[in-house]
Amino acid sequence: GAVVSQHPSWVICKSGTSVKIECRSLDFQATTMFWYRQFPKQSLMLMATSNEGSKATYEQGVEKDKFLINHASLTLSTLTVTSAHPEDSSFYICSRSRQGISNEQFFGPGTRLTVL
Amino acid sequence: DAKTTQPTSMDCAEGRAANLPCNHSTISGNEYVYWYRQIHSQGPQYIIHGLKNNETNEMASLIITEDRKSSTLILPHATLRDTAVYYCIPVNNAGNMLTFGGGTRLMVKP
Repeated sequence: GAVVSQHPSWVICKSGTSVKIECRSLDFQATTMFWYRQFPKQSLMLMATSNEGSKATYEQGVEKDKFLINHASLTLSTLTVTSAHPEDSSFYICSRSRQGISNEQFFGPGTRLTVL
Repeated sequence: DAKTTQPTSMDCAEGRAANLPCNHSTISGNEYVYWYRQIHSQGPQYIIHGLKNNETNEMASLIITEDRKSSTLILPHATLRDTAVYYCIPVNNAGNMLTFGGGTRLMVKP
């Protein structure tokens, strides 16, 4: 069964509003989780690494003040898209590593965000 | 991490073997080759990985050339549910980061 869940699976919001996406590790306490973004017909791009109890590490070009990441517990990481605009419309996917095997990752089902 | 070259798309008949190639000529000695796939509108799924020996699991086989500059993922009996984008990703096993390239869009046809 699924080991990483995301909520919501899809969301439509108005421009200027903020949207929170939750990512849960269901079977394992994950100190590190990852957030990716995927635009239509493109590949996944790593946005940031979420670290439990400390600040997230953002990839170059990703605005940390716009994409707020909180990893307050070992099973939950949240991504908040603040003041969303139509260009933020994308498929957002989180993942965590398999215990002991760092590059074997379990991905969530993704959240499709549409900003009107 | 090493760059990869994969065919943009491939077709395969249902029930036949699907052989997906990947060129990673700049791979370094400590980089493994990981394969993931992404079915439409879903998160990626791990398939298999290897360093230099051929590997097999319940999903697929991975053939890595002796010079490690290329590899082939083999789905022995492709089904319609194997239609997906397949990503070949070399990565240093000391880290967690996966860099996804363009991948190969495999279409399994009846």
